[in-house]
Amino acid sequence: DAGVIQSPRHEVTEMGQEVTLRCKPISGHDYLFWYRQTMMRGLELLIYFNNNVPIDDSGMPEDRFSAKMPNASFSTLKIQPSEPRDSAVYFCASSLAGANVLTFGAGSRLTVL
Amino acid sequence: QKEVEQDPGPLSVPEGAIVSLNCTYSNSAFQYFMWYRQYSRKGPELLMYTYSSGNKEDGRFTAQVDKSSKYISLFIRDSQPSDSATYLCAIEGGTGRRALTFGSGTRLQVQP
Repeated sequence: DAGVIQSPRHEVTEMGQEVTLRCKPISGHDYLFWYRQTMMRGLELLIYFNNNVPIDDSGMPEDRFSAKMPNASFSTLKIQPSEPRDSAVYFCASSLAGANVLTFGAGSRLTVL
Repeated sequence: QKEVEQDPGPLSVPEGAIVSLNCTYSNSAFQYFMWYRQYSRKGPELLMYTYSSGNKEDGRFTAQVDKSSKYISLFIRDSQPSDSATYLCAIEGGTGRRALTFGSGTRLQVQP
C-alpha cells in the first residue's frame, strides 16, 4: 500500500482565496482524521470521520473550514476564505477500528500571504 | 490546563547518550499511550504503543507508563544521530472520543 496520500504538498495562496486539501486514506481503513500542526499550538485535531460520516468536528476553528468524505477513499478539507493565520501543515491520517494507531500522510504545507 | 503536557526542548545530547523524554496528562480515564517520531518535513510515525502501566521495550527504545502519577516516558539507549527528530507523546481512550491527543513534541538533536 502507498500509505496515506495527501495533495498538494505545498500551497501558497493569497488571503481571501479558497484552498482545498485532499487526502486518500489507506485502503480498508475506516477512520480518517484531519490534524493541523503549527509551532505555537502543536498538532491539533480538526475533525474525524468513521465510515465516511463526520463524528467530531469540534476542532474546526470556524465556519471558514469545512471537510467532506464523499467515499471511503477520498476526503477534502476546504478553507474559504483563507487567512494568514491559517498557515500551517495540515495532516491527514487514517486507522482501522479497534486499532489505536494512526498512519499519517506527509502533510500539506499551506502558506497564506 | 492542557490534556497532555510535554517539554518542547530542544534537547541536545552526544551520540551514545541515554535520552529521557517525558509527558504528563491530566485525565485518568486515558488508557492508550503512544510515542510518535516526526522527522523534519515528514508526517509523524508510530514508534511505541502501550496500554497498561509498566515498561515496554523495543530494541533501543523503552516506553514507560505510570498511571498513578499520570506520567509517561520514552527512553532511548545508545542514541544515534539518526534519532534526531521531534518526539510526540499521544494518548487516547476513556473520553468517548476516538482520536489521539498529542503533546507539543520534544525536539531531539543527537550530536555525532
